[in-house]
Amino acid sequence: NAGVTQTPKFQVLKTGQSMTLQCAQDMNHEYMSWYRQDPGMGLRLIHYSVGAGITDQGEVPNGYNVSRSTTEDFPLRLLSAAPSQTSVYFCASRRNPGQHYGYTFGSGTRLTVV
Amino acid sequence: GENVEQHPSTLSVQEGDSAVIKCTYSDSASNYFPWYKQELGKGPQLIIDIRSNVGEKKDQRIAVTLNKTAKHFSLHITETQPEDSAVYFCAASINDMRFGAGTRLTVKP
Repeated sequence: NAGVTQTPKFQVLKTGQSMTLQCAQDMNHEYMSWYRQDPGMGLRLIHYSVGAGITDQGEVPNGYNVSRSTTEDFPLRLLSAAPSQTSVYFCASRRNPGQHYGYTFGSGTRLTVV
Repeated sequence: GENVEQHPSTLSVQEGDSAVIKCTYSDSASNYFPWYKQELGKGPQLIIDIRSNVGEKKDQRIAVTLNKTAKHFSLHITETQPEDSAVYFCAASINDMRFGAGTRLTVKP
């Protein structure tokens, strides 16, 4: 199993550009989330999904959109990139949201907005 | 929403000593408490977890304790080794998961 796969690993954007960060998992996990990691601030939840067709906002959703058309894929879209969105982005998945299981994380996407 | 505080932010110990990292949470409904280890350039990896109906859990050199009344939980690493050096995150979960700010642990040989 590949686990959680994120692409790209690195990206540089200009202010105002848009892009999509890809995330795919092959573990048939229902629950998927996007986090951003900034120095001294830990991991902050952007958006999450409890299953195909269902998404919800986390702590810091502004400037980001998500969709969940399949169980496997959970892309994160930056609508108009800003320097404040420079961060490392992690996608994570876990089993049944009604149970308690730890996340499996992807290896991250390092995004720089100039 | 849930708020998780983690202390200390940095911790340096001598090889063979013990390390303790503490976290507090705000929402008494949280019922799942995992700990993650993140090595440089990698995603966080689950190392141990505890559920709200358990007070303590141990896995070799790693143990976690939970005090639901006080709303705090701790990670204990005994006989530390240089390969334990990493950033450690605690988290608390009802459905979505909220993380502490992290502790950078350095184990000196």
